Amino acid sequence: DTAVSQTPKYLVTQMGNDKSIKCEQNLGHDTMYWYKQDSKKFLKIMFSYNNKELIINETVPNRFSPKSPDKAHLNLHINSLELGDSAVYFCASSQDREDIYTEAFFGQGTRLTVV
Amino acid sequence: EDQVTQSPEALRLQEGESSSLNCSYTVSGLRGLFWYRQDPGKGPEFLFTLYSAGEEKEKERLKATLTKKESFLHITAPKPEDSATYLCAVSPYNQGGKLIFGQGTELSVKP
Repeated sequence: DTAVSQTPKYLVTQMGNDKSIKCEQNLGHDTMYWYKQDSKKFLKIMFSYNNKELIINETVPNRFSPKSPDKAHLNLHINSLELGDSAVYFCASSQDREDIYTEAFFGQGTRLTVV
Repeated sequence: EDQVTQSPEALRLQEGESSSLNCSYTVSGLRGLFWYRQDPGKGPEFLFTLYSAGEEKEKERLKATLTKKESFLHITAPKPEDSATYLCAVSPYNQGGKLIFGQGTELSVKP
């Protein structure tokens, strides 16, 4: 079973379109994240959710809106896509409590190409 | 500002030629330092967590060590299948579990 799964794996779309990426984890973790990896392979956090509550929003444009329907799912919706949004987006999950803290597990990534 | 710098950016080794990767960090309060391996087209794969200076962890040909300012990933007698990008990340206290990554070291091991 895949621990953290994202769909789709590849996404090619035109500028101005709206698209969504879905993520699910079956590890029972309470915290989920979205990271962006640019063309230089640098990974940077965008958002984190703990038990469906937004914890981190790292100066990401308002066009990006995460949604967590339950603690096993974290989706990313992007409005009015721009060329600069082209990147690989990774979903991750971890257990993040005072008494229990685990490493983050990453999905396989979604390669978004805006043309 | 919390920051992670990895060196070298790229490293080419012959099979069996041992070497080390460096990760220098500055963080307000270190909750943990993580090493990941990333293969092309894949997500980062967890290798090690280190929590305090002096700690060491080993897995097959890899050994990670930690001081108050840096971490090393030692690769002993590498094989071609060790070729990958190795990522270092720190997790600061009270920041929601986020990871701050370095830019990675791309390791290539030739037979």
